[in-house]
Amino acid sequence: GAVVSQHPSWVICKSGTSVKIECRSLDFQATTMFWYRQFPKQSLMLMATSNEGSKATYEQGVEKDKFLINHASLTLSTLTVTSAHPEDSSFYICSARDRSSEFSYEQYFGPGTRLTVT
Amino acid sequence: AQSVTQLGSHVSVSEGALVLLRCNYSSSVPPYLFWYVQYPNQGLQLLLKYTSAATLVKGINGFEAEFKKSETSFHLTKPSAHMSDAAEYFCAVSPYNQGGKLIFGQGTELSVKP
Repeated sequence: GAVVSQHPSWVICKSGTSVKIECRSLDFQATTMFWYRQFPKQSLMLMATSNEGSKATYEQGVEKDKFLINHASLTLSTLTVTSAHPEDSSFYICSARDRSSEFSYEQYFGPGTRLTVT
Repeated sequence: AQSVTQLGSHVSVSEGALVLLRCNYSSSVPPYLFWYVQYPNQGLQLLLKYTSAATLVKGINGFEAEFKKSETSFHLTKPSAHMSDAAEYFCAVSPYNQGGKLIFGQGTELSVKP
């Protein structure tokens, strides 16, 4: 149980285009999902917290107009990188909290999406 | 602000030797603490978590960690390393009353020599 999927697993796009990454909780409902960014050989940096049916909360320094987050249902959150540039190339990881175990504070992580902007 | 410090970005042990990965947190209120493992190009897998119950926490794959409030530490150990343990390990804290967000340490890469 507690499986989180991401799609696509990797994507290459040209500079200036937009890319959408999906994060799905497959066997549980997630009222809260998180989006992280990870550069090579570095730790995960929280970008934003996504709550179903409401606007995402972005961490300081993260451009909300560039990284659009939509959490339209209890099993799906999307991250859209708009007008992507080479410096946006990174490994993007989502995680989700099981609605039925909110107090455990445990997050289940997706496998990540490798974005390369050329 | 809360933070997590992992001492040693890289740890190398021999197969069968003790694994010790260090983690210290800064918090006035004991938070929830986690250890995750990441294999190359993959997401994170939970090894174990501390949520204010027993201070010695046992996780998967033979790992365990001890919460020491006096030392603000949550070090990860395994008595005998296996080649398959080679991976990146992250300590994380979930600060009290911040909606469950995780703050990660810098990570420690564990290498296991035959």
